[in-house]
Amino acid sequence: GENVEQHPSTLSVQEGDSAVIKCTYSDSASNYFPWYKQELGKRPQLIIDIRSNVGEKKDQRIAVTLNKTAKHFSLHITETQPEDSAVYFCAAVLTFGNEKLTFGTGTRLTIIP
Amino acid sequence: DAGVIQSPRHEVTEMGQEVTLRCKPISGHDYLFWYRQTMMRGLELLIYFNNNVPIDDSGMPEDRFSAKMPNASFSTLKIQPSEPRDSAVYFCASSLGVSGRPYHEQFFGPGTRLTVL
Repeated sequence: GENVEQHPSTLSVQEGDSAVIKCTYSDSASNYFPWYKQELGKRPQLIIDIRSNVGEKKDQRIAVTLNKTAKHFSLHITETQPEDSAVYFCAAVLTFGNEKLTFGTGTRLTIIP
Repeated sequence: DAGVIQSPRHEVTEMGQEVTLRCKPISGHDYLFWYRQTMMRGLELLIYFNNNVPIDDSGMPEDRFSAKMPNASFSTLKIQPSEPRDSAVYFCASSLGVSGRPYHEQFFGPGTRLTVL
């Protein structure tokens, strides 16, 4: 089955700086990679996703890059703000024969004012 | 739309008791997912349904866990008998599949925090 590794597990950045979270996946057949944000005590919510036919996708201060050859993808948050503090989960979908999301272990991002 | 609805929001029970968690997906969504979240194991998929039919239950930890979806607007996750190691937050999520595949946003419910003493 699919295995998704996520690093780092915790990340602290100064407000206004950039944050980068990286994930690797094991199954080359995966072709959908969403990122979810979970604020403390709240539910996970999708913030951005990318499909395997695209190398990069941006949405305001958030961007995701995908390297299919290396089987890794990254979340980039620029000009970080206090409200970016949360746990971020990457995920991958194994599309052949099973369509469930496999989540990474999460990154706790703290923005220091 | 009110989003995915789960009940109860909190459940405290004693070991050996039966626990039933409930979920109402977003109207019109054809996929429903049950997840369990713990500090140790992160976010794990337990089971998912498509058009009320269970598709993959490989994440269900053992026979004590069962899930049903009798209709498009209701699903239950039952634990019988419950054990302390079942303590976790249980999320239900739903999505609208495209061309029969759930490669779209999963909308999570608020979760049920289960504590088994």
